[in-house]
Amino acid sequence: EADIYQTPRYLVIGTGKKITLECSQTMGHDKMYWYQQDPGMELHLIHYSYGVNSTEKGDLSSESTVSRIRTEHFPLTLESARPSHTSQYLCASGRGLGYTFGSGTRLTVV
Amino acid sequence: GEDVEQSLFLSVREGDSSVINCTYTDSSSTYLYWYKQEPGAGLQLLTYIFSNMDMKQDQRLTVLLNKKDKHLSLRIADTQTGDSAIYFCAEGPDTGRRALTFGSGTRLQVQP
Repeated sequence: EADIYQTPRYLVIGTGKKITLECSQTMGHDKMYWYQQDPGMELHLIHYSYGVNSTEKGDLSSESTVSRIRTEHFPLTLESARPSHTSQYLCASGRGLGYTFGSGTRLTVV
Repeated sequence: GEDVEQSLFLSVREGDSSVINCTYTDSSSTYLYWYKQEPGAGLQLLTYIFSNMDMKQDQRLTVLLNKKDKHLSLRIADTQTGDSAIYFCAEGPDTGRRALTFGSGTRLQVQP
């Protein structure tokens, strides 16, 4: 049973639009993460947070921003979407061992 | 930096055993994980092993760790068509501020 939720599941949007991908978890986890997944499967860490008001950039500069105002909520915003942002975006949270992943948002920018 | 490598593809027949391999570079890794991703879904944690263990068995899954060679494997006994998925290995510390490092994933195809 999923305790971490991502919305929307699928999104098609025009170039230049601003979008926010939502991620919420009900497990009280302090640590939350955003990954971008290539069509070729590889996961790239783009942002993470170790608690409220704490955010850090990951390995991949994706021209996105995140916020962590509440423990359970970790939204990802693209200020100006580009076709190169077309990808699967996975949110995860964790406290001790391993992460729990959401089902992902598949974003297509046309 | 940390690096985790896996072969891209494995095909087996239903009922056979599958062995998915992974190598990693960070000798300070405390835990090593195997995740499964089915089409259109997120990653699901299958199992993990602590770095001071050599082997862990959980029903049809056996994890082997060779810490000297930094080699991790996942064996799936009696592989079923429902095991067809992408399998990711990952490594990381038990505490601290470093996120897990994931391999590039191995696509397992099970032929009926």
